[in-house]
Amino acid sequence: SQTIHQWPATLVQPVGSPLSLECTVEGTSNPNLYWYRQAAGRGLQLLFYSVGIGQISSEVPQNLSASRPQDRQFILSSKKLLLSDSGFYLCAGSPRTGVNNEQFFGPGTRLTVL
Amino acid sequence: AQSVTQPDIHITVSEGASLELRCNYSYGATPYLFWYVQSPGQGLQLLLKYFSGDTLVQGIKGFEAEFKRSQSSFNLRKPSVHWSDAAEYFCAVPTGGGNKLTFGTGTQLKVEL
Repeated sequence: SQTIHQWPATLVQPVGSPLSLECTVEGTSNPNLYWYRQAAGRGLQLLFYSVGIGQISSEVPQNLSASRPQDRQFILSSKKLLLSDSGFYLCAGSPRTGVNNEQFFGPGTRLTVL
Repeated sequence: AQSVTQPDIHITVSEGASLELRCNYSYGATPYLFWYVQSPGQGLQLLLKYFSGDTLVQGIKGFEAEFKRSQSSFNLRKPSVHWSDAAEYFCAVPTGGGNKLTFGTGTQLKVEL
């Protein structure tokens, strides 16, 4: 089974600063990868997903971007953070083969923008 | 589009009591369905999944779920809740041609000792 690694675990950043959150995958090749955000007391919002290197689909317009420079690496970025970017960010992966597969989640990154 | 609804935002049960968390799906054909659990400050862990066949699905940590087509439901159950089961529970269904998951809004479970 696959393992999702995320870092850092927590991050406090000032408004207007840049952001880079990294996610790496072990135990599978060619996974689909996903970035979600959870605001306090809210459900999961899908931000981006990727079916391969350099292939990124954005789900909602926002201040964030994603990149996939390597097969098992998925990066979430921002050039200038907003207060509203605070939240819990989760990376997930699923097997590329077939559809309707379950997703495996990383431990998450708690981002606080002050 | 496929979707799931979790009607209960919060549920409180006593330790040792039975538990049932509700999930209703909206989909014409037989759906694929998942239940995940999220402990505070952590990622989501898959509890169980339903693809086809037997409508009673066994999962990890003593959980089970029953698919009922007539009620469009996939409720999660546990006969005897432990304090460590306090967490948030999410029901999910594949969407976007099966490459994405749509999650319910979650049910926060509190366990009273």
